[in-house]
Amino acid sequence: QVQLQESGPGLVKPSETLSLTCTVSGGSISSYYWNWIRQPPGKGLEYIGYTHYNGRTNYNPSLKSRVTMSVDTSNNQLSLKLTSVTAADTAVYYCAKAMSYTIDVWGQGTTVTVSS
Amino acid sequence: QSALTQPPSVSGSPGQSVTISCTGTSSDVGSYTRVSWFQQPPDTAPKLMIYDVSNRPSGVPDRFSGSKSGNTASLTISGLQAEDEADYYCSSYTSSDTLVFGRGTKLTVL
Repeated sequence: QVQLQESGPGLVKPSETLSLTCTVSGGSISSYYWNWIRQPPGKGLEYIGYTHYNGRTNYNPSLKSRVTMSVDTSNNQLSLKLTSVTAADTAVYYCAKAMSYTIDVWGQGTTVTVSS
Repeated sequence: QSALTQPPSVSGSPGQSVTISCTGTSSDVGSYTRVSWFQQPPDTAPKLMIYDVSNRPSGVPDRFSGSKSGNTASLTISGLQAEDEADYYCSSYTSSDTLVFGRGTKLTVL
């Protein structure tokens, strides 16, 4: 049973880069597509994008210019970087596993606040 | 990509049935069977309840069912129970090779 755990700074200053890690356990990081989703306080889910260990990535067009995702197979970790953050990027960030375009396992989420 | 359209809220009494709609476009819901539904209780990560329009993962009660017609998918919960009270989100694969979520529906069990 794959389990996911997000980690990273809970507070990021405006204009800086948000960097999060997701540790994958209980399964092969090479077998699936890995997604990032975020949820602003009191609001709905927003899809950020996906990455695969073979380097294939695709991002939500609204965030594409600021997002980079990658897979570290040696440490079984995923990475999310979001540049030039503003208060609008304050959210709970989730990593999630997908099979055949279906997200079936979610991490517990990590809260990131953008504030000076 | 625009969020899929869901009603902000629905409600029902225990034992009743409720249906939550999810309307997209021909670029997402209308063209693909990769439609999922997630349940999210407060302060909890979402949980997959329905995938590929109408399939239930192991462990999800058969009170939960899904369907699709044209650009609109639907989640029906029959025999409502107090534990079903949560936010529900739909999602769909899109022609841009991404996923898009609905805005969410708050289910209240009266």
